[in-house]
Amino acid sequence: GQNIDQPTEMTATEGAIVQINCTYQTSGFNGLFWYQQHAGEAPTFLSYNVLDGLEEKGRFSSFLSRSKGYSYLLLKELQMKDSASYLCAVTPGYSTLTFGKGTMLLVSP
Amino acid sequence: DTAVSQTPKYLVTQMGNDKSIKCEQNLGHDTMYWYKQDSKKFLKIMFSYNNKELIINETVPNRFSPKSPDKAHLNLHINSLELGDSAVYFCASSHEQGADEQFFGPGTRLTVL
Repeated sequence: GQNIDQPTEMTATEGAIVQINCTYQTSGFNGLFWYQQHAGEAPTFLSYNVLDGLEEKGRFSSFLSRSKGYSYLLLKELQMKDSASYLCAVTPGYSTLTFGKGTMLLVSP
Repeated sequence: DTAVSQTPKYLVTQMGNDKSIKCEQNLGHDTMYWYKQDSKKFLKIMFSYNNKELIINETVPNRFSPKSPDKAHLNLHINSLELGDSAVYFCASSHEQGADEQFFGPGTRLTVL
């Protein structure tokens, strides 16, 4: 079976840094994705990791450790518009994307 | 605009009815998907199609029948709607199967009364 865990909710202050963790146990691994979903909108792609290490893209970075079944999404210089749900998703095999339940991030002034 | 589009955006219907949701992508992608997002915001894969062929059917009741007339379209027909079918349904597409970025449509909010 597939199991993906991430915190349900997090809060942070504008301008701060926040790290959203994701742990996974899946039968097979073909990469890990992070998606952002604003309320009432579709998920949008943020990052993809398949090798261990850190991928940086502007204010957002994503880290993967395959041996530990662990990833995190790091958001720097938080802005109010970053308030959203952040979805960790794993591709355990061919053509399947399994999502975690998402972490709702609330950024306050 | 290049995108994944779905119609309708909102769908309110009575229990027992049959309804369809349409999805089109003009991104030239080979693979399309249907996801269900429940009230707790859990996004779960339902179906995956590659070049009009069914690849994945994730233990979805057979009241749900996807149809792909061509690789740019993947429609979802639901028979005998039940209260538990109320959710947001997202269509998505990707260039290839497997580990490839997926582009999501705007979603269809289905409410069964």
